[in-house]
Amino acid sequence: TQLLEQSPQFLSIQEGENLTVYCNSSSVFSSLQWYRQEPGEGPVLLVTVVTGGEVKKLKRLTFQFGDARKDSSLHITAAQPGDTGLYLCAGAYEGGGADGLTFGKGTHLIIQP
Amino acid sequence: DSGVTQTPKHLITATGQRVTLRCSPRSGDLSVYWYQQSLDQGLQFLIQYYNGEERAKGNILERFSAQQFPDLHSELNLSSLELGDSALYFCASSDGTSGGSLYEQYFGPGTRLTVT
Repeated sequence: TQLLEQSPQFLSIQEGENLTVYCNSSSVFSSLQWYRQEPGEGPVLLVTVVTGGEVKKLKRLTFQFGDARKDSSLHITAAQPGDTGLYLCAGAYEGGGADGLTFGKGTHLIIQP
Repeated sequence: DSGVTQTPKHLITATGQRVTLRCSPRSGDLSVYWYQQSLDQGLQFLIQYYNGEERAKGNILERFSAQQFPDLHSELNLSSLELGDSALYFCASSDGTSGGSLYEQYFGPGTRLTVT
C-alpha cells in the first residue's frame, strides 16, 4: 500500500501568521493535487502540480512540488479565518494503474481571529 | 458548486440492510469515482467507472458494488450493512481525457450514511 503522509495533522494559529503544511511519500507522483474540504462538504480542488520543482501561486497560497516529485508543500501567507478547513493532498502514482487518487489524511487548519 | 450531484444527502438505516447512493457527474465528464471518508481512515478510493465500464478498483468491499449507466450517472450499492460502514460517501468526476498525469477530479457534496 502506498502511503501519503501529511504534517502537521492539526494546526491552530492566529490570523495574520504564516504557515506551511507538508505532503510526503516514498514513491514518485505523476501528479499531485491539493484540496480544501469544509465540514460536511466535498473536497474542492485548489491546484494540480505535475513537474518536479514546480511552484504555483493562488493568491496567498503557494504550492511547491519537490524536484523528485515525491513531496509537496502548501504555504499560506497572512492566514485568515476563511482559510480554516481540512487541507488534503492527493497523488497519482507513476505506474499505479488506477485513476483513483491516493489521499493523505489531511491537515486540520484553524485560523483564529 | 462543482457540478457533481449526489443523492440522498443523508441516509439512516439499520444493520443488515441494503442502500443505493446515486451520483450524476459534471456535464461532459466520462469518469466517475467513488470514495469513502471516515474519521479514522481518511478518504479512501473505492472504484472508478469510465464511460460505463469499470476501470479501476480500490479498497472496495465485496458487499459493495457500483455501476455506471448509459446516461453516465452512477450508483453505489451497499449491502449487508455493518456499523463500520457509517461514513461519508463521495462521488467525483473527471473528463477522463486529461492524459496520464493530471487526474483532476471534482467532488460532489457527499452522502452521509449512518448505520444503526
